[in-house]
Amino acid sequence: GAGVSQSPSNKVTEKGKDVELRCDPISGHTALYWYRQSLGQGLEFLIYFQGNSAPDKSGLPSDRFSAERTGGSVSTLTIQRTQQEDSAVYLCASSFGQGAYEQYFGPGTRLTVT
Amino acid sequence: QKEVEQDPGPLSVPEGAIVSLNCTYSNSAFQYFMWYRQYSRKGPELLMYTYSSGNKEDGRFTAQVDKSSKYISLFIRDSQPSDSATYLCAMTMVMGFQKLVFGTGTRLLVSP
Repeated sequence: GAGVSQSPSNKVTEKGKDVELRCDPISGHTALYWYRQSLGQGLEFLIYFQGNSAPDKSGLPSDRFSAERTGGSVSTLTIQRTQQEDSAVYLCASSFGQGAYEQYFGPGTRLTVT
Repeated sequence: QKEVEQDPGPLSVPEGAIVSLNCTYSNSAFQYFMWYRQYSRKGPELLMYTYSSGNKEDGRFTAQVDKSSKYISLFIRDSQPSDSATYLCAMTMVMGFQKLVFGTGTRLLVSP
């Protein structure tokens, strides 16, 4: 079956512009996670969704970052007024949810802010 | 200080060598431990998952957890060039709807 898909795969934007990153989880997965991976850093948790609700937004670095999930499926991560330090690979993962230990990751969106 | 520490490497070994990858952590509340493998420009994929202290074996891979020392390891036997990747340890307190806390990853290079 299809895995987690993310679009776009690469995004180059100018400082100050807004960007939207999309994640399509595996069908039937109720939990969805966003992580950020910067050069030389491990994966940094941003936010997770249980259905359409986000019980844990603790990893969002600033109020320029927001995310939503609709229909218990697709999720969008929006970064407003992008800064150079936002350059990173943004990874999405999904899992069956409660009691499930494996998170399935997408290939990521590589964001470059110039 | 980070919650999870991992040597970034790179670690270079010849084909057939035994590889040892390690992580230390500071939060004793972590109960579940995972190893992910990440090839260049790909998302991480789960290799091993453990809960209790001790060893867990799966083919050429062995995961070891020592909760008293807050130390986990991944051993790869008979390493192959196809094992060349970045290996990330990850851990969490509660299984299910819960973020994973990752190490920085160790880059492994296995030469033929």
